[in-house]
Amino acid sequence: QSALTQPASVSGSPGQSITISCTGTSSDVGDYNYVSWYQHHPGKAPKLMIYEVSNRPSGLSNRFSGSKSGNTASLTISGLQAEDEADYYCSSYTRSSSLNVVFGGGTKLIVL
Amino acid sequence: QVQLQESGPGLVKPSETLSLTCTVSGGSISTYYWSWIRQPPGRGLEWIGNIYYSGSTNYNPSLKSRVTISVDTSKNQFSLRLSSVTAADTAVYYCAREDIVATKFDYWGQGTLVTVSS
Repeated sequence: QSALTQPASVSGSPGQSITISCTGTSSDVGDYNYVSWYQHHPGKAPKLMIYEVSNRPSGLSNRFSGSKSGNTASLTISGLQAEDEADYYCSSYTRSSSLNVVFGGGTKLIVL
Repeated sequence: QVQLQESGPGLVKPSETLSLTCTVSGGSISTYYWSWIRQPPGRGLEWIGNIYYSGSTNYNPSLKSRVTISVDTSKNQFSLRLSSVTAADTAVYYCAREDIVATKFDYWGQGTLVTVSS
């Protein structure tokens, strides 16, 4: 069982917007603005999409945005495209023991 | 553009030691932290540990007794050794560059599947 909780799957049609949630605790997501999101197409290297809750790496599409409220972080993808179909993982800094970072279990995004 | 590539055996026998190497190209290993992360089949990602170019390491407490991460700056490589493996260690193993200030992994390898089986 992963430390951060994500829905197993979400789906949307091209052009629509979807949101993926990532729920943690006050020891990680709730107390720190060090939440990241990764896109993973099977067989390829995971790709950083969002860091520090809402920052996008240089050159990344502004269709991807991040936010946080309490112990839950969210990734929103607007204007869905077929190539957005992938697995998405969240991560967060944690103050639990000497473990630096915890991950979510991943969410499969299906573009209908 | 920084690139990372994992290499090593895809099959390891139970009780033996898993050994993987990550080769970094397009940038020097002599900065940032460098991490190993794994994903067992059907499960989420698990951070294994990281190393700074100076050799300073941090390990996941649940694996600490079995893990060793080392670095070879002359070859721009870092390595993972996981001892006394069992079937539970079967996973895709990724290497990644870690920015510990922002707790983000900004470059990843494609991953390599390691199966523990006799």
